[in-house]
Order: sequence, then structure tokens, then C-alpha cells
Amino acid sequence: DTGVSQNPRHKITKRGQNVTFRCDPISEHNRLYWYRQTLGQGPEFLTYFQNEAQLEKSRLLSDRFSAERPKGSFSTLEIQRTEQGDSAMYLCASSWGHTQGTQYFGPGTRLLVL
Amino acid sequence: TQLLEQSPQFLSIQEGENLTVYCNSSSVFSSLQWYRQEPGEGPVLLVTVVTGGEVKKLKRLTFQFGDARKDSSLHITAAQPGDTGLYLCAGDNAGGTSYGKLTFGQGTILTVHP
Repeated sequence: DTGVSQNPRHKITKRGQNVTFRCDPISEHNRLYWYRQTLGQGPEFLTYFQNEAQLEKSRLLSDRFSAERPKGSFSTLEIQRTEQGDSAMYLCASSWGHTQGTQYFGPGTRLLVL
Repeated sequence: TQLLEQSPQFLSIQEGENLTVYCNSSSVFSSLQWYRQEPGEGPVLLVTVVTGGEVKKLKRLTFQFGDARKDSSLHITAAQPGDTGLYLCAGDNAGGTSYGKLTFGQGTILTVHP
């Protein structure tokens, strides 16, 4: 069990550029979640997948954000036309089950938009 | 308005002291998870509590889920410098709205001085 992995760990970009993050969940987990965490706050839910289906999206996920999980394994989160307000830690988590399932988090991708 | 109120936000104590962190909500949760997070890393799961009134112990840490599944506490006995970190509580399925969507508290930054 290698745990949840995320790449890259850090990303610095200029305002207006597009960025893409990748998350590889624990292999047997069918659910995958994305959260965003800003300094001094707890993580905030963005979206989640059950297998390849995206089941819920937060209001925080504007039109500039898109997430995919094409084969029900890894997931990508893309932010288009980045803004300074997008600077945050983007966390991925995975779990097993259709209802209650403990979520295990990856190390996160820290994004800084200049 | 924060759905899950965590207190205190900051705690600075001497090695050997006891402490309690609280998470309170007006919503009922299906389960509640406690995480510990180091700077620049993702949250690491400490425990999941599911049943109202449940008490779980993990070495010097004691976790309790309220009878009504609306609140929880984390008690640390004889704190050590290695306990220093950010402690987060997270409730699942607030008010029966969505399984898997974790709602986090703001976090408690604990510093244990030698």
C-alpha cells in the first residue's frame, strides 16, 4: 500500500496560466475527493468521484476548474486562467465504499499564483 | 457561518500537561474523523468514530463522539513535544446531505514546549 500520491508537490505559475494536478489514489479505493485548503483554515470540499463518475461539485468549483477521473483510477484537476485567489494547497483523498468510508489524504499540491 | 466549530484555535502548553480539543455542530454527522497535519503535508488520519457515545483510545489520545453525533472531543494526556501540530476534526454527511463530503473544523494549532 503506497498511499495517496499527488504531483507536483509545488507549483508556481503566473496569473492567467493553466495548471493541472494529478492524484493517484490507493489502488482499491473507488472514491476520490478533491479539497482546497488556504492558510489557517481547514480543507474545503471541491468535488468527488465514485469510480469514473463525478457525483458532486461544490459552489467553490467555478467554471475555470475541471476535474476528471477517466478510467476510475487516477484523477486530474485543471485550473484555467489562474487567479491569485487560487493560491492554496490542493488536497486529494480516497476511500472505499458507497456510504461511510474513511478518507485517506495525499501530501497535497501547493499552488502559488503570482 | 462555520458548520463545524473547533476550539480552541491555538493551544500552547508545557510537556506533561493534559489538553482537550472540542468540535461542535448543530448538524448530525454519520461519522467524524480526526486528523493531524504537519506544515506542508496532507492530513493524516488519527481515528474515525461512528456510533453516538463511542469512545476510542489511541495511546495517550482519547476520542469521544457525542451521543447525538453532533459533537466530538480529543483529549491528550501528558502531552509531548512530538504532539505538536494542527489537529482537524471532520464530519461526514452533515445532516444527511451527502456521504463522503467531509466538513472540516478550522483546526487547532497545538504547541507543546519541552
